[in-house]
Amino acid sequence: DIVMTQSPDSLAVSLGERATINCKSSQSVLHTNNRDYLAWYQHKPGHPPKLLISWAFTREFGVPDRFSGSGSGTDFTLTISGLQAEDVAVYYCQQYYSTPHAFGQGTELEIK
Amino acid sequence: QLLLQESGPGLVKPSETLSLTCTVSGGSITGVNYYWDWFRQPPGKGLEWIGSLFYRGSAFYSGSFKSRVTMSVDTFNNQFSLHLRSVTAADTAVYYCARANSDCTEIPCFKGYFDYWGQGALVTVSS
Repeated sequence: DIVMTQSPDSLAVSLGERATINCKSSQSVLHTNNRDYLAWYQHKPGHPPKLLISWAFTREFGVPDRFSGSGSGTDFTLTISGLQAEDVAVYYCQQYYSTPHAFGQGTELEIK
Repeated sequence: QLLLQESGPGLVKPSETLSLTCTVSGGSITGVNYYWDWFRQPPGKGLEWIGSLFYRGSAFYSGSFKSRVTMSVDTFNNQFSLHLRSVTAADTAVYYCARANSDCTEIPCFKGYFDYWGQGALVTVSS
């Protein structure tokens, strides 16, 4: 099974600054079709998780462009440029390259 | 707009079976590129994946739950269900249903990214 590991576990960033969350998979999630099977989610208390990014860098409709995904193979990054107060949440990465799909342990993002 | 809604008892006694239903509206549960999953989040902890279901009835369960979980589908009512047996206080959690969007060519494959989620249902296990 693929194991997903995020870093850091928690992060405090000032409003307007950049937040960077890393995700590493124990095996490559890059398919022979040249797509990385990696998604990012935002989870706020009292709400269901929200899909932000699929295929490592494709933003979902309606997701602000301050959220961006990058990376390939085994190493991925979620970047939030210009942190807003409403971005406080736990962020998860998830691989869907192989069964069972696996999530990272989550990164808690707070305002400094 | 696809909507998922969990329903079921909010309180279950220890050793009994926790049963939840997810009703899907705004789209059909019978798409070949979709899987229907259950997750949970215990208080103060992260998300846990429970299992995945294909509309034709085949399922794939997390090893953590495999011995006591069953998932089923009702295509007539566009619903799918979770049954978790022999519950304890450790099963107290918010339970979510979700749709996995897949590009698999082999069917079923039980993998995809989760693009729609229910609002979640709190289930407390207590006597």
